[in-house]
Amino acid sequence: AQKITQTQPGMFVQEKEAVTLDCTYDTSDPSYGLFWYKQPSSGEMIFLIYQGSYDQQNATEGRYSLNFQKARKSANLVISASQLGDSAMYFCAMSFYNQGGKLIFGQGTELSVKP
Amino acid sequence: GAGVSQSPSNKVTEKGKDVELRCDPISGHTALYWYRQSLGQGLEFLIYFQGNSAPDKSGLPSDRFSAERTGGSVSTLTIQRTQQEDSAVYLCASSREGNTEAFFGQGTRLTVV
Repeated sequence: AQKITQTQPGMFVQEKEAVTLDCTYDTSDPSYGLFWYKQPSSGEMIFLIYQGSYDQQNATEGRYSLNFQKARKSANLVISASQLGDSAMYFCAMSFYNQGGKLIFGQGTELSVKP
Repeated sequence: GAGVSQSPSNKVTEKGKDVELRCDPISGHTALYWYRQSLGQGLEFLIYFQGNSAPDKSGLPSDRFSAERTGGSVSTLTIQRTQQEDSAVYLCASSREGNTEAFFGQGTRLTVV
């Protein structure tokens, strides 16, 4: 079965600190992509970062990095130097190269950044 | 516009009525997706269009749901004989091609009363 699991329904972090949001996945398909999206209270889904299953290096985009551990089937998102504007829902998602990019989403983690 | 545009942003309809939700993707994007977000079910894939290929309808929950994409651009999701369990936010996304990052619209919040 193809599944994404986010085990942290809610997380708190102090402003300017780093935070790790967990994501594990289950698939036997070797060709896949992993995504993280942010959904603020306004409702729009904002793309943050992408990691391909064959990528050797962990993906980074500004303050976001993806800690990809293929053998453990985990794709944790690390946000460095948290800002108040980072407070939002965060979704981990997976797509498969032979299925055209449709996404399977995890349940989401609600991140609250404290001043 | 620069982003994915969805209309209406909110829709309240009576049970049993038909509704049409519209999505205008980013210009030049060949792939278009519809998802549904509800409290009980999370984010679910509904349907995927890629160029002139037959759409992937594997996520449509019942035959009351259908979608089309005209001219490789605008898409309409139609729900016939709406039920209360259809109440959700319907999100549209587009990407340059399949398997690249998708950009989402603001969604249509559908409430069936």
